[in-house]
Amino acid sequence: GQNIDQPTEMTATEGAIVQINCTYQTSGFNGLFWYQQHAGEAPTFLSYNVLDGLEEKGRFSSFLSRSKGYSYLLLKELQMKDSASYLCAVRDHTGNTPLVFGKGTRLSVIA
Amino acid sequence: DTEVTQTPKHLVMGMTNKKSLKCEQHMGHRAMYWYKQKAKKPPELMFVYSYEKLSINESVPSRFSPECPNSSLLNLHLHALQPEDSALYLCASSPGDGAAYEQYFGPGTRLTVT
Repeated sequence: GQNIDQPTEMTATEGAIVQINCTYQTSGFNGLFWYQQHAGEAPTFLSYNVLDGLEEKGRFSSFLSRSKGYSYLLLKELQMKDSASYLCAVRDHTGNTPLVFGKGTRLSVIA
Repeated sequence: DTEVTQTPKHLVMGMTNKKSLKCEQHMGHRAMYWYKQKAKKPPELMFVYSYEKLSINESVPSRFSPECPNSSLLNLHLHALQPEDSALYLCASSPGDGAAYEQYFGPGTRLTVT
């Protein structure tokens, strides 16, 4: 089966750091994606991890541990515009679905 | 050109209407997708086209009919929809349907069925 878990909601303060966790259980694994989606808009690609470790891209970093079925997205120097939903999605090449999305984490950044 | 475009942005239709959603990309991508997204839910995959052939149909009701006229275009024909089909319909594309390809999403069509 396929199961992807992430917290439903998080709140953080402008300028702070926030970590959004994602755990997954899939029959196969061929990469993990993080997408950002503002309300009423399309998801936009943030990061892709297929090997263990940390990928850094500006204020955003993503970490993967395949043995633990675990990933996190780290957002630094939070800005109000970072308020959005963050979707964890796993590529399960053994299944029929190219990309399995988690339910998303709604992040609210407050002043 | 690095974007996926979708028309119309908004669509209101009755249960007896027939309408079509359109999606276009000029990035040379060979895989295209239709997703349905309800409010505060993740996107749910409906169809995948790979090299202009339907490769995945996620048990979608026949009132939704996809069509891929060429490698740049993807349509979704709608007929006899139900109010519960109201949602944001997202089109996406990727260079191929292999593992490492990220999907580029269009802005979506917000569909309301009355």
